[in-house]
Amino acid sequence: DAGITQSPRHKVTETGTPVTLRCHQTENHRYMYWYRQDPGHGLRLIHYSYGVKDTDKGEVSDGYSVSRSKTEDFLLTLESATSSQTSVYFCAIRDGLDAEQFFGPGTRLTVL
Amino acid sequence: ELKVEQNPLFLSMQEGKNYTIYCNYSTTSDRLYWYRQDPGKSLESLFVLLSNGAVKQEGRLMASLDTKARLSTLHITAAVHDLSATYFCAVVRDDKIIFGKGTRLHILP
Repeated sequence: DAGITQSPRHKVTETGTPVTLRCHQTENHRYMYWYRQDPGHGLRLIHYSYGVKDTDKGEVSDGYSVSRSKTEDFLLTLESATSSQTSVYFCAIRDGLDAEQFFGPGTRLTVL
Repeated sequence: ELKVEQNPLFLSMQEGKNYTIYCNYSTTSDRLYWYRQDPGKSLESLFVLLSNGAVKQEGRLMASLDTKARLSTLHITAAVHDLSATYFCAVVRDDKIIFGKGTRLHILP
């Protein structure tokens, strides 16, 4: 499973509340990614990181922020959750530019 | 902006038949991934294609990459029910990895 965990695995929250999702890896992979998966849209890249404190935006970054203060953790924050952010969120890791990308188990987030 | 298109998006086929899923992308890239996802599960890496003309095979699945045409194919040979899943291609450009919408494959006994 490439040593990737996501927490929480399920969360229900209310509109307007802040939410933080955590991705944790144990093998010092350089690259980490956050995606959301919605029916009809496949996976869409939210943000990614290419090292500690080095992050960049993906396709659908509005309403999301990320932080990576240490190699093993990549946090995704919804500052003020909206119903449109109800989704399944996947974290992924990759070692280098030619390496495989491995996915975590996912977090199902419901915003009421 | 990198765009990735898969077709078909849904495919229902009989066991024993052959078929091909297509993945087209809009800008230069020479690295492409294929994944499988079962319902309610995470994504499983199938193939990593790293250069023009790359071909990889695993069991009844074979993937190829033509970077000049910006096209990758995933060919299924003599389909079996266990291959029913959603298949995604993903294109690598710089540090970003962008996915197609997926092909939902349903194999009928």
